[in-house]
Amino acid sequence: EIVLTQSPGTLSLSPGERATLSCRASQSLSSSSLGWYQQKPGQAPRLLIYGASSRAAGIPDRFSGSGSGADFTLTISRLEPEDFAVYYCHQYDRTPLSFGQGTNLEIK
Amino acid sequence: EVRLVESGGGLVQPGGSLRLSCAASGFTFSDYAMTWVRQAPGKALEWISAVGGSGLSTYYADSVKGRFAISRDNSRNTLYLQVNSLRADDTAVYYCAKCATYSSGSHYDYWGQGTLVAVSS
Repeated sequence: EIVLTQSPGTLSLSPGERATLSCRASQSLSSSSLGWYQQKPGQAPRLLIYGASSRAAGIPDRFSGSGSGADFTLTISRLEPEDFAVYYCHQYDRTPLSFGQGTNLEIK
Repeated sequence: EVRLVESGGGLVQPGGSLRLSCAASGFTFSDYAMTWVRQAPGKALEWISAVGGSGLSTYYADSVKGRFAISRDNSRNTLYLQVNSLRADDTAVYYCAKCATYSSGSHYDYWGQGTLVAVSS
């Protein structure tokens, strides 16, 4: 089973700042089968990034993903007020599929 | 427009059963794998099950294997999750999500709003 560890657990930043979120897999993903999702309170998750670095439809270009193997990063270049939420990484390389425990991005 | 609408959740006693449904519209249902993901109150997302486009290939998390059964009716554009032998730690919002490909090894491009399952005596 692949365990995804996200860091930090909580990230406190101000609008306009840059956010860097990390996701580390317990085993190397054979393909870049990693996605990132954003979830706001009371809402379903929303796909941001798939294939480690491809932006989903309608996602602003301030969101970018990078990484390969076992280390992946989600970067938000300039935080907007609507970006403060919980972010999850997700591996779909092999079953059982899995999510990280989430990073809570909060307003400082 | 893609829509996924879950139903069937509710309050159930430990050991009880429910059948969750997810009605899909706005895409060719049989062309895509589908999945169920749950989220316990205040906790992270947890993948629990997936089914390929034909319905023949199914996958489960260890936490639900043997108790839950995923299926789909492509003629009705509906995904199901039969949940049996429910325990308190099964209490969660259950989301259905559309996979981006025919096989289940894929990201999820659309999600429903979820249905709450509460297990309590």
